[in-house]
Amino acid sequence: KAGVTQTPRYLIKTRGQQVTLSCSPISGHRSVSWYQQTPGQGLQFLFEYFSETQRNKGNFPGRFSGRQFSNSRSEMNVSTLELGDSALYLCASSLADPYNEQFFGPGTRLTVL
Amino acid sequence: AQSVTQLDSHVSVSEGTPVLLRCNYSSSYSPSLFWYVQHPNKGLQLLLKYTSAATLVKGINGFEAEFKKSETSFHLTKPSAHMSDAAEYFCVVSGRRGNLIFGKGTKLSVKP
Repeated sequence: KAGVTQTPRYLIKTRGQQVTLSCSPISGHRSVSWYQQTPGQGLQFLFEYFSETQRNKGNFPGRFSGRQFSNSRSEMNVSTLELGDSALYLCASSLADPYNEQFFGPGTRLTVL
Repeated sequence: AQSVTQLDSHVSVSEGTPVLLRCNYSSSYSPSLFWYVQHPNKGLQLLLKYTSAATLVKGINGFEAEFKKSETSFHLTKPSAHMSDAAEYFCVVSGRRGNLIFGKGTKLSVKP
């Protein structure tokens, strides 16, 4: 069974630009969660999608958004990039309940210059 | 509010000696608790999960953790460290918003 895949693996952007990251969950998983990992703040929850609906949201500004498609694939978008958005963005999938085991992808390393 | 505190940012042990990674949690309800491991340049992997069935939880690769409600602790142990155990370990508590709340992580170094 293929694991969670994230594309691209690395991105370099400049301040003010926007970026879209993609996540393909494990086949059959319907819940997709996104996390931001930085050395200073650690791992922080961004949002969770289930059946194309945002079910839960963390404490991030509106510049961070996401969506989920009918095949459970998910994208997250960050607009008007800031230097502080440089981070590893992790996607995780679970069958339906995010409190059950979440399977993590390798992440997308975003660098904002 | 839910929170988790990992008491050591870095632990160093010799190969073959026991491992103890300490975690305290705070929760206004009975949470689910997890330990995840992150090897360099690899994704997070679930080591074990506590969901109120048994207080001693066995995980993969010989790790186990004991849930102690009176001490609000969920420490991770392994009887004998292996070089391949060197990684960063995260204690995690379930949040109210369908999210996982991660501790700051403990880097485990294993000396030969």
